Amino acid sequence: EPEVTQTPSHQVTQMGQEVILRCVPISNHLYFYWYRQILGQKVEFLVSFYNNEISEKSEIFDDQFSVERPDGSNFTLKIRSTKLEDSAMYFCASRGQGPYEQYFGPGTRLTVT
Amino acid sequence: AQSVTQLGSHVSVSEGALVLLRCNYSSSVPPYLFWYVQYPNQGLQLLLKYTTGATLVKGINGFEAEFKKSETSFHLTKPSAHMSDAAEYFCAVARGQTGANNLFFGTGTRLTVIP
Repeated sequence: EPEVTQTPSHQVTQMGQEVILRCVPISNHLYFYWYRQILGQKVEFLVSFYNNEISEKSEIFDDQFSVERPDGSNFTLKIRSTKLEDSAMYFCASRGQGPYEQYFGPGTRLTVT
Repeated sequence: AQSVTQLGSHVSVSEGALVLLRCNYSSSVPPYLFWYVQYPNQGLQLLLKYTTGATLVKGINGFEAEFKKSETSFHLTKPSAHMSDAAEYFCAVARGQTGANNLFFGTGTRLTVIP
């Protein structure tokens, strides 16, 4: 069964450093998403991506964040200058054209020290 | 705007007992509703969804949920709990229209099954 994969599973970085979180969505899907879950809190929407551009973003997704689909298979989330409060589990998800369910990856745990 | 409230951050049931996890939603447009399950150290797996049509929807692992517009609810049930059901459960709502349909999640309910 096709699945969304994410790398790395755990990333530790120092405050102020740039990080790139990587995702490989399901191959025939068209919509791509990033969500995050701060420990003990709800899963929060960050950004959605369709047809090679951002379709919607939340207030969390400020200028420090960017997304890219560089090669037609990977979908990346970049945080330019990490802050302590960026520590969270980051989930990638993808969705096909018809069904409305999103398929989630296993997540990347980002720890900013 | 869309939002979800899950009543009860922790629910404990005995093995074989009824599972009831509560979810109420708020939506300015007809919603699409989802339940996801998260096992330890894993991603979110879809249990079931409601988009249109029949208000009682069945999902995987014997779970079902009923969309009640008058009560703005979408509670998750399972007649008989199994040890393998122990996990975190998330209710989510999306705008019921075309587009990216971002999900808005509740805070989750951790289900413990007592042998």
